[in-house]
Amino acid sequence: ETTVTQSPASLSMAVGEKVSISCKTSTDIDDDMNWYQQKSGEAPKLLISEGNTLRPGVPSRFSSSGYGTDFVFTINNVLLGDEGIYYCQQSDNVPFTFGSGTKLEIK
Amino acid sequence: QVQLEESGPGLMQPSETLSLTCTVSGFSLTSNGVGWVRQPLGKGLVWMGTIWAGGSTNYNSAVQSRLSISRDTSKSQVFLKMNSLQPEDTGTYYCARHEYYLFDYWGQGVMVTVSS
Repeated sequence: ETTVTQSPASLSMAVGEKVSISCKTSTDIDDDMNWYQQKSGEAPKLLISEGNTLRPGVPSRFSSSGYGTDFVFTINNVLLGDEGIYYCQQSDNVPFTFGSGTKLEIK
Repeated sequence: QVQLEESGPGLMQPSETLSLTCTVSGFSLTSNGVGWVRQPLGKGLVWMGTIWAGGSTNYNSAVQSRLSISRDTSKSQVFLKMNSLQPEDTGTYYCARHEYYLFDYWGQGVMVTVSS
């Protein structure tokens, strides 16, 4: 089983700042990492899929990078509406595993 | 327009069997897999299992002995059954469509509480 270690657990940022979230996997997963946003009371929403591919309709402020075991999710010029919890998920092998989440608060 | 909607009882007693239904529209169950993801209250996401487009299934080993996922393609419905419920099974249960091995569309979730 591939373990996904996500950090930090929480962030408090001001509008306009840059957010960086890390996910490290216990096995090499190539670029099979996905990133989700979950706003309060809502279902997760897929933002970025394998190969660091931005999903349709997702603002270009969101991006990701990484390959192998180290991955980074970035939000440039963070907005108030970006508040929520962000999860990474590896899609290389079963069982599909998620990071523990990063709670983003906008000051 | 792809949509998924979970339904099922909100309150269960310990040792009972949970039955949830995921009704989908906008795609065919023979074209995409559907997975179930659980989220304990205030906690993270845990994949429970998936039924693939061809009808085969994969389960998380943590619940495999208690879990069964099936489907009725004619009704566009996917079913989750989990027996021997315990309070730690409390949480929100989501069904989500697979695009290969990721989840591209999610239902709104159904909250299940296991309590005596």
